[in-house]
Amino acid sequence: GAVVSQHPSWVICKSGTSVKIECRSLDFQATTMFWYRQFPKQSLMLMATSNEGSKATYEQGVEKDKFLINHASLTLSTLTVTSAHPEDSSFYICSARVRGRLYNEQFFGPGTRLTVL
Amino acid sequence: DAKTTQPTSMDCAEGRAANLPCNHSTISGNEYVYWYRQIHSQGPQYIIHGLKNNETNEMASLIITEDRKSSTLILPHATLRDTAVYYCIVRVANNYGQNFVFGPGTRLSVLP
Repeated sequence: GAVVSQHPSWVICKSGTSVKIECRSLDFQATTMFWYRQFPKQSLMLMATSNEGSKATYEQGVEKDKFLINHASLTLSTLTVTSAHPEDSSFYICSARVRGRLYNEQFFGPGTRLTVL
Repeated sequence: DAKTTQPTSMDCAEGRAANLPCNHSTISGNEYVYWYRQIHSQGPQYIIHGLKNNETNEMASLIITEDRKSSTLILPHATLRDTAVYYCIVRVANNYGQNFVFGPGTRLSVLP
């Protein structure tokens, strides 16, 4: 149980285009989903926190107009990188917190590798 | 959330126990110790968590010192597939809206 999927697993796009990444909780409802970014040889850095039905909360330095997050249901959150540029190339990972669980473990998706040419 | 300190890297022989230490000297009474690992180019994987008692599951054992200022994750029989970055994270259990803060972790290399 507690499986989180991401789609696509990798994507290559041209500079200036927009890319949408989906994060789904497959067998549980997720009240909160988190989006992280990881550059090579670095640790995960939180980008934003999204709660179902409300606006996402962005970390300092993350442009909300560039990284659009939609958490329309308890099983789906999407991250759209708008007008992508080469410096946006990174490994994007989502995680979901299991609704109703007493303990705060989070389950992570497999990640999406974005390469912007 | 309390800060944690881990060694940058460790090696372990295949089949032997891997003991990964973590210091969390400023941990408070309601904070749990969580361990995750990240295999190259994959998302982090939950391993185990505990408050003050030692914990064991099918993946690992977690030993927490009596004063809770440090802990050790034990992989009893390390395999090559256990090569990964291991993250020790301390946080309050019912902090529903907040994320996990990942430090640099320990890069474990299991050697044949």
